[in-house]
Amino acid sequence: EAGVAQSPRYKIIEKRQSVAFWCNPISGHATLYWYQQILGQGPKLLIQFQNNGVVDDSQLPKDRFSAERLKGVDSTLKIQPAKLEDSAVYLCASSLVGWGNEQYFGPGTRLTVT
Amino acid sequence: GESVGLHLPTLSVQEGDNSIINCAYSNSASDYFIWYKQESGKGPQFIIDIRSNMDKRQGQRVTVLLNKTVKHLSLQIAATQPGDSAVYFCAENTSSNTGKLIFGQGTTLQVKP
Repeated sequence: EAGVAQSPRYKIIEKRQSVAFWCNPISGHATLYWYQQILGQGPKLLIQFQNNGVVDDSQLPKDRFSAERLKGVDSTLKIQPAKLEDSAVYLCASSLVGWGNEQYFGPGTRLTVT
Repeated sequence: GESVGLHLPTLSVQEGDNSIINCAYSNSASDYFIWYKQESGKGPQFIIDIRSNMDKRQGQRVTVLLNKTVKHLSLQIAATQPGDSAVYFCAENTSSNTGKLIFGQGTTLQVKP
């Protein structure tokens, strides 16, 4: 089966610019996650969707980050304006609904803010 | 606050030896734990999981041990191979309602031929 798709794979922007990342989850997976992984650290959950509703966005910096999943399938994560500390890999994952279901990760988008 | 940490940042082993990667967690209410493997340029890949009502679970060449008394998790890899070289993360489920995972910082496993 096809895995989680993400694009772009790499992005370089200057601080104060905006950027958007796209994710297409595995077909049939109602739950979608966005994680931020800073170099040398484990992934940190930014936001979790179930279908098109937000389940958890407690660690999303809402003054500059936004995410949507309008039709309950694809999702976009946006940063506006970007800061230097936003340099990281942004990972998208998806899973079936329910406790204990495996999260499948995409390859990530590596963002460099200069 | 909640945290999951790993004891050693880097583990170097000889090919064919067994590897043991350790993890400490702080949330005694966590009920589900997962080990992930992450190779360079890729997303984390599920290895094995264990629920809090178990203390041991075995997979193919991997075993996870859970000690809830001391809040400790370990991953054992038998007959380590060069393809096992990667960063390994433990993660804990802190919410049975949402499935939210908290990841540790990771241990780099280096396999010497």
